[in-house]
Amino acid sequence: EPEVTQTPSHQVTQMGQEVILRCVPISNHLYFYWYRQILGQKVEFLVSFYNNEISEKSEIFDDQFSVERPDGSNFTLKIRSTKLEDSAMYFCASTRVTGSPNQPQHFGDGTRLSIL
Amino acid sequence: AQKITQTQPGMFVQEKEAVTLDCTYDTSDPSYGLFWYKQPSSGEMIFLIYQGSYDQQNATEGRYSLNFQKARKSANLVISASQLGDSAMYFCAMRGQSSGSARQLTFGSGTQLTVLP
Repeated sequence: EPEVTQTPSHQVTQMGQEVILRCVPISNHLYFYWYRQILGQKVEFLVSFYNNEISEKSEIFDDQFSVERPDGSNFTLKIRSTKLEDSAMYFCASTRVTGSPNQPQHFGDGTRLSIL
Repeated sequence: AQKITQTQPGMFVQEKEAVTLDCTYDTSDPSYGLFWYKQPSSGEMIFLIYQGSYDQQNATEGRYSLNFQKARKSANLVISASQLGDSAMYFCAMRGQSSGSARQLTFGSGTQLTVLP
């Protein structure tokens, strides 16, 4: 069964450094998402992406964050200057269509980002 | 705005017993979907089951079933014949027309289920 894949599984970065998290969504999916889960807390929506542009973004997704689909398969999340509070598990998700609210989103295994 | 409430931070169940994980929601959307995800200690998010707001029957998927009570705005997950591998965090989530054009998910705070041998 097709899967969403994320790399790396764990990223350790010094505060202030840039980090890029990578995702390969399921190939026939059209909507892509990034979510964040701080340790012990609920999963929070960051941003959605459709047709090569941001569709929605949350208050968390400030100017330090950006997303890109550099080619036909990868979907990346960049954090320009990381802060300690960016330490979290970051999930990529995708869904085939979104006209119906009943379509499930398929998640990758996540990237655990640790900021030192 | 949408809100998901999971009032059980932790639950214990004996192996082979059934367990119900509670989820209530709040939305003004006429059409929405409710989802349950499982998160093992390894961290990945595994989709389990969904229920559409207009579905006439409660969703079932193997040992998972969803007790959907629309008037009460509840969507409880029932796991039958619990197994040790069911020990995990379980999240209830929803998406609807007011989730935004991309229908992002709103998650509850989760319930940590521990299955006892």
